[in-house]
Amino acid sequence: KQEVTQIPAALSVPEGENLVLNCSFTDSAIYNLQWFRQDPGKGLTSLLLIQSSQREQTSGRLNASLDKSSGRSTLYIAASQPGDSATYLCAVSQSSASKIIFGSGTRLSIRP
Amino acid sequence: DTEVTQTPKHLVMGMTNKKSLKCEQHMGHRAMYWYKQKAKKPPELMFVYSYEKLSINESVPSRFSPECPNSSLLNLHLHALQPEDSALYLCASSQVGLAAYNEQFFGPGTRLTVL
Repeated sequence: KQEVTQIPAALSVPEGENLVLNCSFTDSAIYNLQWFRQDPGKGLTSLLLIQSSQREQTSGRLNASLDKSSGRSTLYIAASQPGDSATYLCAVSQSSASKIIFGSGTRLSIRP
Repeated sequence: DTEVTQTPKHLVMGMTNKKSLKCEQHMGHRAMYWYKQKAKKPPELMFVYSYEKLSINESVPSRFSPECPNSSLLNLHLHALQPEDSALYLCASSQVGLAAYNEQFFGPGTRLTVL
């Protein structure tokens, strides 16, 4: 059974710092991995999707990496800003149009 | 249009009421999903529709009844709910097929309170 873990559960850093969020999964037979952002009481915003054959994806200040063999993904945020404060969730799917399994999220707070 | 819309934004209902949640997308996606999210927890999958057919039901109680009338619309009919069903209900959609196109896009959610 696939399990997804995110560490740390919460993180607070001063503005301007670069930071890394971690995601690990137990079954390496994934279809893709997706990183989401969720603001309190809101829906999820897709940040990056990495296909199982890819090693990384980049969008602006965000870079996500995937190491399937070790069951790990990281989300790197450069030059953090207070507007980056949110909960970040990673999720893996194991086939198309199927269940995606979420980690429990990392609550990120960027201090001005 | 890259948006998933959900109505209503908020819903308060009694345990004997019947209500429906609605979800719509115009991205040509052929898979649509319902998730339930409790406070400070990740979303939990309830149902998946693929090409307007129910493909996954995560053992959801029958008081939740999904419906996919066409490729753009997804409904969730609610009847005889319990207070513990209070949660944020999220709809999502994705293409079907290649991993590159399986990205799920979420709506803003409906905040449901059952009294």
